[in-house]
Amino acid sequence: DVKVTQSSRYLVKRTGEKVFLECVQDMDHENMFWYRQDPGLGLRLIYFSYDVKMKEKGDIPEGYSVSREKKERFSLILESASTNQTSMYLCASSFGQQETQYFGPGTRLLVL
Amino acid sequence: GQNIDQPTEMTATEGAIVQINCTYQTSGFNGLFWYQQHAGEAPTFLSYNVLDGLEEKGRFSSFLSRSKGYSYLLLKELQMKDSASYLCAVQGNKLVFGAGTILRVKS
Repeated sequence: DVKVTQSSRYLVKRTGEKVFLECVQDMDHENMFWYRQDPGLGLRLIYFSYDVKMKEKGDIPEGYSVSREKKERFSLILESASTNQTSMYLCASSFGQQETQYFGPGTRLLVL
Repeated sequence: GQNIDQPTEMTATEGAIVQINCTYQTSGFNGLFWYQQHAGEAPTFLSYNVLDGLEEKGRFSSFLSRSKGYSYLLLKELQMKDSASYLCAVQGNKLVFGAGTILRVKS
């Protein structure tokens, strides 16, 4: 079974703090993705990566950055957290670029 | 542009059949996914359609018509545990998700 894990299930941060969300997959997948999920809006793609040290902007990259130093790990960074970044963050991975994505359990982030 | 539409909420009775529709307009099409997401949990893969027609997998079936930009997910013999959100996602140049349909199964 594919396993995608995320470092925290729940996180509370203050405005202006730097926030790191970590994602690890154990299936040697090339592709990894970060989404945020908000009520009524569905999942929106923030960033994705097709290879180590490679990253591409998704639909809503503003206010975020990512890091992929190792194949199994994809980190999402909020340089200066803002209240509008309060959301559920979901990480996913896939073997091929257009193959089934497998999701982690999500991190519910609250920015005060 | 890209647009995926699905109903916001549906309610059905245990043991019944329910059909969740999804219509889409996307730039490029390489397949359509359905995911199930229970409250507070990760989306889990249900089905994938790339060709027109019906794909059956146990109690769940998924249908695709590429010419109409239309898909549906059919759930038979509904169980209480089927209460969840169902996400339609279209793979074009990237995977685009609909907002999801919350299904409530009542006894």
